[in-house]
Amino acid sequence: EVQLVESGGGLVQPGGSLRLSCAASGFTFSSYWMTWVRQAPGRGLEWVANIKQDGSEKYYVDSVKGRFTISRDNAKNSLYLQMNSLRAEDTAVYYCARGYFWFDPWGQGTLVTVSS
Amino acid sequence: AIQLTQSPSSLSASVGDRVTITCRASQGISSALAWYQQKPGKAPKLLIYDASSLESGVPSRFSGSGSGTDFTLTISSLQPEDFATYSCQQFNSYPITFGQGTRLEIK
Repeated sequence: EVQLVESGGGLVQPGGSLRLSCAASGFTFSSYWMTWVRQAPGRGLEWVANIKQDGSEKYYVDSVKGRFTISRDNAKNSLYLQMNSLRAEDTAVYYCARGYFWFDPWGQGTLVTVSS
Repeated sequence: AIQLTQSPSSLSASVGDRVTITCRASQGISSALAWYQQKPGKAPKLLIYDASSLESGVPSRFSGSGSGTDFTLTISSLQPEDFATYSCQQFNSYPITFGQGTRLEIK
């Protein structure tokens, strides 16, 4: 069964940092682009970043450029999102998802709350 | 960035109804559009990709159409499990963007 499981969310103060992880199983992780998408409470979905199979290409939404870094470890079948200089507007459920053009499947999400 | 505008934002319908949701792109995106279903507290689920291709395992009552700037998702006969929020997503150019979502409620 193809599965993605996120972890690492929690409560962090503005200006703080957090590292999200996504553990993949049931498919050849190193063969796929991977993506992070977030959803603020009561809001729509927002694409955050994606990364090529070998990590050589990475793309970000403007609002996180310079603050967030996407990475992967194919040996560990894991995707990461390092989030620095967090702001209140980064509060959201963060999902990892497989794919480049469209996304399937998605993990269950991990909640990040940025608040003092 | 390409903006996707869905209409309506919410919709009430009954089991057995035929429902159509529209997604309009701020510029042409060819057929680079996907549709997702999301239930409360759950992750989105892919329904349609390339504007009209049905994802494996998705019931055939779901269909997608359109190209360029105007797209539709149609549910031919609503089932109880179809009440959810539906979102479109474009992958024609960066940044990848989503519509604001259409909430489908039981009448």
